[in-house]
Amino acid sequence: DIVMTQSPDSLAVSLGERATINCKSSQSVLFRSNNKNYLAWYQQKVGQPPNLLIYWASTRESGVPDRFSGSGSETDFTLTISSLQAEDVAVYYCQQYYFTPLTFGGGTKVEIK
Amino acid sequence: EVQLLESGGGLIPPGGSLRLSCSASGFVFGSYAMNWVRQAPGKALEWVSSIKATTGDTVYADSVRGRFTISRDNSKNTLYLEMSSLRAEDTALYYCAKDVNLGPPVYYFDSWGQGTLVTVST
Repeated sequence: DIVMTQSPDSLAVSLGERATINCKSSQSVLFRSNNKNYLAWYQQKVGQPPNLLIYWASTRESGVPDRFSGSGSETDFTLTISSLQAEDVAVYYCQQYYFTPLTFGGGTKVEIK
Repeated sequence: EVQLLESGGGLIPPGGSLRLSCSASGFVFGSYAMNWVRQAPGKALEWVSSIKATTGDTVYADSVRGRFTISRDNSKNTLYLEMSSLRAEDTALYYCAKDVNLGPPVYYFDSWGQGTLVTVST
């Protein structure tokens, strides 16, 4: 199984500042035949189901604000919130879909400092 | 608008059985793979099972294989999860989630229900 490890477990960022979340996979999720990284990011606010933010490691889902961006390749990935807003308080999860079993990271809780 | 509505959760003793349902609307249900993902209280997301759109091919997490069965009725736009030999560690909020891709699954999810809570306890 591919183990997804997120860091940090939590972070507190001032409004308008940058938040950076890391996700490391235990093996590469880059499929070389199409040069795509099989990695998604979700946002989960309190009491709500997850919401898809990013797929293919860096493609923003329709309707997601452009302050959210994804980067990285193979085993190391980053979700960046360029200017944190109050409505971004949530837990963020990465997920690999390279193969089953599908696996999620442990989550990173983002709060306002 | 895609809507997924789970039902069937509840309090069940260890060793018991339960069937969850997920009623779908707002999209062509029979054209998308569907999935169950669970979340224990205060814990991370855990994928449980997936079922393809038309072939009905299924795949399971090791933690539930042999105890849980995923199925679908495309005529009723409904996804099911039959759960048996339930354990305390199966206690979780169970979400149904729609695959993003029309046809063959890609295995990431663009729509989720609100979840149904399963509590396994005496």
